[in-house]
Amino acid sequence: DTGVSQNPRHKITKRGQNVTFRCDPISEHNRLYWYRQTLGQGPEFLTYFQNEAQLEKSRLLSDRFSAERPKGSFSTLEIQRTEQGDSAMYLCASSPGTANTGELFFGEGSRLTVL
Amino acid sequence: QKEVEQDPGPLSVPEGAIVSLNCTYSNSAFQYFMWYRQYSRKGPELLMYTYSSGNKEDGRFTAQVDKSSKYISLFIRDSQPSDSATYLCAMRATGGGNKLTFGTGTQLKVEL
Repeated sequence: DTGVSQNPRHKITKRGQNVTFRCDPISEHNRLYWYRQTLGQGPEFLTYFQNEAQLEKSRLLSDRFSAERPKGSFSTLEIQRTEQGDSAMYLCASSPGTANTGELFFGEGSRLTVL
Repeated sequence: QKEVEQDPGPLSVPEGAIVSLNCTYSNSAFQYFMWYRQYSRKGPELLMYTYSSGNKEDGRFTAQVDKSSKYISLFIRDSQPSDSATYLCAMRATGGGNKLTFGTGTQLKVEL
């Protein structure tokens, strides 16, 4: 399968615990994005990388959130001291940097439930 | 007020109906307009893409952009039960690393 891969697909955790999600983008896509989607809402931008450089972060990304993309390949999104309000679907997407359509190729998401 | 407004529905239509989905936006910098389809528990997938104003047709789908009114539409002809999904409009400005701003999505159900 050559699509965007996200793991784990579903994570249930207790409030205060740390969680980490992983995203493997489509090979050769140098841009990688993280979005968050809550029930009944559209995806909201969190951050994006061009290769290993994190170029933009949303105000939604509090200091409890950190994202990395070492070596410009896979990316991780870590949430520390989770809160119930963090419960959402975390979507990863990738795109080739030269695409004019702006098409983002999304993974199937990692659903977080904070009890 | 959100930058992109979209009626969340749900919208229920009989098979074969013409479906009209719409979004309005407030940011004049938006130049690229997209419609994504999202099935339950799946990631969004690109359905239609339009640059600036105008119409674009692809099979049963037609996308329209009216920048003067800051209004975009997606029409689905001869709707099928397999079209049942959430439809998200998305848009972006020039540059900005392809960062998209999405609407809330409209949930569509096409019934037999």
